[in-house]
Amino acid sequence: KQEVTQIPAALSVPEGENLVLNCSFTDSAIYNLQWFRQDPGKGLTSLLLIQSSQREQTSGRLNASLDKSSGRSTLYIAASQPGDSATYLCAALNSGGYQKVTFGTGTKLQVIP
Amino acid sequence: DGGITQSPKYLFRKEGQNVTLSCEQNLNHDAMYWYRQDPGQGLRLIYYSQIVNDFQKGDIAEGYSVSREKKESFPLTVTSAQKNPTAFYLCASSIFFGELFFGEGSRLTVL
Repeated sequence: KQEVTQIPAALSVPEGENLVLNCSFTDSAIYNLQWFRQDPGKGLTSLLLIQSSQREQTSGRLNASLDKSSGRSTLYIAASQPGDSATYLCAALNSGGYQKVTFGTGTKLQVIP
Repeated sequence: DGGITQSPKYLFRKEGQNVTLSCEQNLNHDAMYWYRQDPGQGLRLIYYSQIVNDFQKGDIAEGYSVSREKKESFPLTVTSAQKNPTAFYLCASSIFFGELFFGEGSRLTVL
């Protein structure tokens, strides 16, 4: 059974700092890994999707990496801004007869002006 | 614009009532999902559907029911058999093994 862990549960950084969010998964036979952002009371917004054959994906100030052998993914945020404050979730997709997606519980990020 | 629309955004239920949450997508996705989110817990899968007129139970299907009569629509009914229905409900869709897209969610509160 896939388990996805995100540590720390909460993180507070000053504006402008570069930061890394961590995501660990136990079953390396993933199809892809996806990072999401969730603002309070809102749905999840997709940030980046990394296919199992890829090592990283970039979008603007965001860079996500994937290391299947170690069961880890990281989301790098460059030059953080107060608008980046949100909860970030990662999700691993495995194939088990259907698209089995396992979510982490998220890292709540606060960027202080 | 393409996307997923959930309604209502807020819903209140009295004891013993069934309520239905709507989910509509215009992304032409075959697969649709319902998740439940509770504070401090990861998203948990209630039901999913990979094709019209077919759906499967997820991890916490008890007390819930769904239908998939059209590709675009996947409504969720929270029945009176669901003993702890207060939660945030999220609908999602995707192509097979593709990127997952979510709606804005519906918050259900039991009075």
